[in-house]
Amino acid sequence: ETGVTQTPRHLVMGMTNKKSLKCEQHLGHNAMYWYKQSAKKPLELMFVYSLEERVENNSVPSRFSPECPNSSHLFLHLHTLQPEDSALYLCASSQAADYSYEQYFGPGTRLTVT
Amino acid sequence: AQKVTQAQTEISVVEKEDVTLDCVYETRDTTYYLFWYKQPPSGELVFLIRRNSFDEQNEISGRYSWNFQKSTSSFNFTITASQVVDSAVYFCALSEGAGNQFYFGTGTSLTVIP
Repeated sequence: ETGVTQTPRHLVMGMTNKKSLKCEQHLGHNAMYWYKQSAKKPLELMFVYSLEERVENNSVPSRFSPECPNSSHLFLHLHTLQPEDSALYLCASSQAADYSYEQYFGPGTRLTVT
Repeated sequence: AQKVTQAQTEISVVEKEDVTLDCVYETRDTTYYLFWYKQPPSGELVFLIRRNSFDEQNEISGRYSWNFQKSTSSFNFTITASQVVDSAVYFCALSEGAGNQFYFGTGTSLTVIP
């Protein structure tokens, strides 16, 4: 199995829909991350989880709601999104939520909000 | 101010040419880490290298080499004898020992023309 998987790979949703992004890591890591990647902008760190506990929330709007039921799974629940939320959403994991560790990324979910 | 600057937005080279991707960072911490990632068209960022601030030795891995210079706050990446498979977006990133953040540059899109 590849290290970090994400589903779905593509998602189109209306502004009133509710959907969820799923991430799973098979590396035995203890930390997981959500990033937003928009064109021509640096990756934006959204959330950090360490051993299922959220340790970082970078002023992300409440229409994005993360969930980490265990150290291998991470979800991003989406509701009432805006067109500017269209982006590539990347999940990553690392051995620990210590920024000396490199992160391993999934292929991302390409989200389009119509 | 941006913590990580990748001034080259796009670079095109002909196969077998050498190419250097520039990365300049900004930090006041004495302990920090620098990273390079590759993002092929498939989307997932692939970890290439990590360097800590106390190790200024240059590193070579096959056709890849990295030049870390604290005096100029740069961490440049050179691909020797480029190949078409090297075509991707390359990201430089910084993490600070005292902080809890990962800072990515905006990326350099490299196209290797056969």
